[in-house]
Amino acid sequence: GAVVSQHPSRVICKSGTSVKIECRSLDFQATTMFWYRQFPKKSLMLMATSNEGSKATYEQGVEKDKFLINHASLTLSTLTVTSAHPEDSSFYICSARESSGFSTDTQYFGPGTRLTVL
Amino acid sequence: GQNIDQPTEMTATEGAIVQINCTYQTSGFNGLFWYQQHAGEAPTFLSYNVLDGLEEKGRFSSFLSRSKGYSYLLLKELQMKDSASYLCAVRVSSGGSYIPTFGRGTSLIVHP
Repeated sequence: GAVVSQHPSRVICKSGTSVKIECRSLDFQATTMFWYRQFPKKSLMLMATSNEGSKATYEQGVEKDKFLINHASLTLSTLTVTSAHPEDSSFYICSARESSGFSTDTQYFGPGTRLTVL
Repeated sequence: GQNIDQPTEMTATEGAIVQINCTYQTSGFNGLFWYQQHAGEAPTFLSYNVLDGLEEKGRFSSFLSRSKGYSYLLLKELQMKDSASYLCAVRVSSGGSYIPTFGRGTSLIVHP
């Protein structure tokens, strides 16, 4: 299947700093990428939908000024957690949808980024 | 909004068969996915159903009934490595986009 990479896999930062997470589709073009957040033993919570070349669509309750999303190319989307606080510590997962024009349009997930804010 | 319901936890014996149910209430239904997620890892794709019926893929099968808003994932010949969380995800069409919504996940524990 298609491969999605995420970088970094783990990051520890001090409170007040900003952290950028990259999501790349390695062998396909993804017009749409999704960013999720997952707390321990909980399901995935969709944060935003990122479309190449346009502004991201944020889910209700997600602060767009805090979680900056940029989808500059068909293979790269970035999530920047600005002025991170300990409550932002979580597992962040991106997924990319392979838009083949067929109904399947399966999502492929990146390996996730474990963010710990001290 | 979307509502997806699946059991929180299930246990089964190695070699047995287990069925994980998922019910949903949604508008603009455009397919249902099942994912497997091991602790600390990202989900991996298992199956996709958009039409009614059973899709079989090796030891895993997935069933969908759109009229009942119901799906199940069937795991046969269970192995210890099948212990994981199984996520049911419904995709809806909204404003020209396809938006995925995940259920809480079912934690499956396989014991010897």
